[in-house]
Amino acid sequence: NAGVTQTPKFRVLKTGQSMTLLCAQDMNHEYMYWYRQDPGMGLRLIHYSVGEGTTAKGEVPDGYNVSRLKKQNFLLGLESAAPSQTSVYFCASSYVQVTDTQYFGPGTRLTVL
Amino acid sequence: EDQVTQSPEALRLQEGESSSLNCSYTVSGLRGLFWYRQDPGKGPEFLFTLYSAGEEKEKERLKATLTKKESFLHITAPKPEDSATYLCAVARGAQKLVFGQGTRLTINP
Repeated sequence: NAGVTQTPKFRVLKTGQSMTLLCAQDMNHEYMYWYRQDPGMGLRLIHYSVGEGTTAKGEVPDGYNVSRLKKQNFLLGLESAAPSQTSVYFCASSYVQVTDTQYFGPGTRLTVL
Repeated sequence: EDQVTQSPEALRLQEGESSSLNCSYTVSGLRGLFWYRQDPGKGPEFLFTLYSAGEEKEKERLKATLTKKESFLHITAPKPEDSATYLCAVARGAQKLVFGQGTRLTINP
């Protein structure tokens, strides 16, 4: 039981490049989330999904897109990376309700030059 | 606007010196308050969920309490391995958590 895994762990991009972050969970959770964590800002919700085939915007969705084609996977895409997207990205999942515990992955450290 | 504020930002204690971390919140219709621990370079690790004022939960040297406006994480006789950043979050609406900025705790041997 691996829990929540994220790929890659580290990535450096140049401004304007695109990339996709992959999150996978093996706990059969319905809900999945993408957060970014910046110094002094706390964790902020980017996008989330309440089930396979669904996505919704969080607090800071601009510049990101997501897809949930399979229940166990949640992809976060950056179409044209900007230095402001330099951050640590965390994926999380939970069973159903927001009151259910969210389990976090190990994070992806992204630097945009 | 829903807000979660944690204090202090950083706290340095000697091993065995008990203290408390504070999480104050303003949210309409609190559905739950969560405490997480985060070690450097890792994802947050779940500690507790509190659902209603007056509720308390304990785990080893940690005890979390909840009132209508704030939550406390009490640390009794801490050890160096308790050093971490402690995050507080409140459940708002149907799907979202709002996180505080965290308290960075350092326990010196």
